[in-house]
Amino acid sequence: AQSVTQLDSHVSVSEGTPVLLRCNYSSSYSPSLFWYVQHPNKGLQLLLKYTSAATLVKGINGFEAEFKKSETSFHLTKPSAHMSDAAEYFCVVSEAPEGSQGNLIFGKGTKLSVKP
Amino acid sequence: GAVVSQHPSRVICKSGTSVKIECRSLDFQATTMFWYRQFPKQSLMLMATSNEGSKATYEQGVEKDKFLINHASLTLSTLTVTSAHPEDSSFYICSARDWRRLAGTYNEQFFGPGTRLTVL
Repeated sequence: AQSVTQLDSHVSVSEGTPVLLRCNYSSSYSPSLFWYVQHPNKGLQLLLKYTSAATLVKGINGFEAEFKKSETSFHLTKPSAHMSDAAEYFCVVSEAPEGSQGNLIFGKGTKLSVKP
Repeated sequence: GAVVSQHPSRVICKSGTSVKIECRSLDFQATTMFWYRQFPKQSLMLMATSNEGSKATYEQGVEKDKFLINHASLTLSTLTVTSAHPEDSSFYICSARDWRRLAGTYNEQFFGPGTRLTVL
């Protein structure tokens, strides 16, 4: 069965410093992995996705994530945090055997706070 | 593009009443819509998958007679919480999948802003 673990429920950084949000997954199949961001009172927005192509994935707003199969990790990073990055971030795995469309399994979320 | 709306954004109701939540895809056709539930400080849990023109598929442990889902058109799905009780209070989020974007082994879902249900 697929599962995803976000290692930190809350991360606080100062504006201009790097961001690291950690995510580990387990999957019986070759996984598709996603990071979504949820701002207050807004829908979830896709930041980036990994679908068995390049292991280093670049997303919107300067975020990127690296798929590391040996570590079963898909950590989200950004070189320099901006105040507007403060939000809830979800790591998601798609339970999908090769060639099919699967449902999304969500991590519990990491709340990112950015201090001025 | 790919905007999903939900209405209402928040609702408060008395125990025993029914509440309907609408999910609309505004600028695309959604052959499949998903309904999630999110408790405070917890993850999104899939409740059911709704395909246009057919019966919804419910996840294990979700009562289909309590959470009625209708997906009558390619742009609208509704979730009705029947005989709501305080334990049904939660954040309900819908998402929609655009059939034009189906590709490979992943599916991108576009999420609505959610509906906060409080049952007194």
